[in-house]
Amino acid sequence: EVQLVESGGGLIQPGGSLRLSCEASGFAFSYYWMHWVRQAPGRGLVSVSRLNPDGSHTNYADSVEGRFTISRDNAKNTLYLQMNSLTDEDTAVYYCARGSNDWTGIDYWGQGTLLTVSS
Amino acid sequence: DIVMTQTPLSSPVTLGQPASISCRSSQSLVHSDGNTYLGWLQQRPGQPPRLLIYKISNRVSGVPDRFSGSGAGTDFTLKISRVEAEDVGVYYCIQSTQFPHTFGQGTKLEIK
Repeated sequence: EVQLVESGGGLIQPGGSLRLSCEASGFAFSYYWMHWVRQAPGRGLVSVSRLNPDGSHTNYADSVEGRFTISRDNAKNTLYLQMNSLTDEDTAVYYCARGSNDWTGIDYWGQGTLLTVSS
Repeated sequence: DIVMTQTPLSSPVTLGQPASISCRSSQSLVHSDGNTYLGWLQQRPGQPPRLLIYKISNRVSGVPDRFSGSGAGTDFTLKISRVEAEDVGVYYCIQSTQFPHTFGQGTKLEIK
């Protein structure tokens, strides 16, 4: 069974930094693209970033480019999102998600971790 | 970025009746490889999204056959043939033809 378990969310002040983690199990992690998607409270879904299987190719949404860094440790089956210079607009549930081998989109989602940026 | 526009944003439906959600993209979703990367997600209250349909009309294993997808180019539709209580939630279309992947605003399906 595919499982994606996010951790690392919490309350942080504007301007701060935080790293999210996503531990994957139930599939061959090193063969899949991985994504971060966020959802602000009561709002819709927004793609944040994605990373190819060997970690050599990344994409970012314009809103986080230069502030967020996606990475992975295939030996630990773990995906990361380093977030710097946080603002209140980054407040959201952050979902870790697996890229599908059947299409270019996502097929499995984690339960999400809540990041709140507030003073 | 490709803009995805869903209608309606809210859909009250009687149990056992059909429901239909439309999704329109601001540009064609036909990829250079010839595929159209349009999918549909369901998000039940308090849950993460769940993929129902990918590449317009391919149902994910385990998804009831009352869910079907259709469309081409820039216009797509999700249909539920007979709504059940467990179908309550928000439905999103998603395009993954181009990054950033973008989502519709969501359609809230509720029971009358």
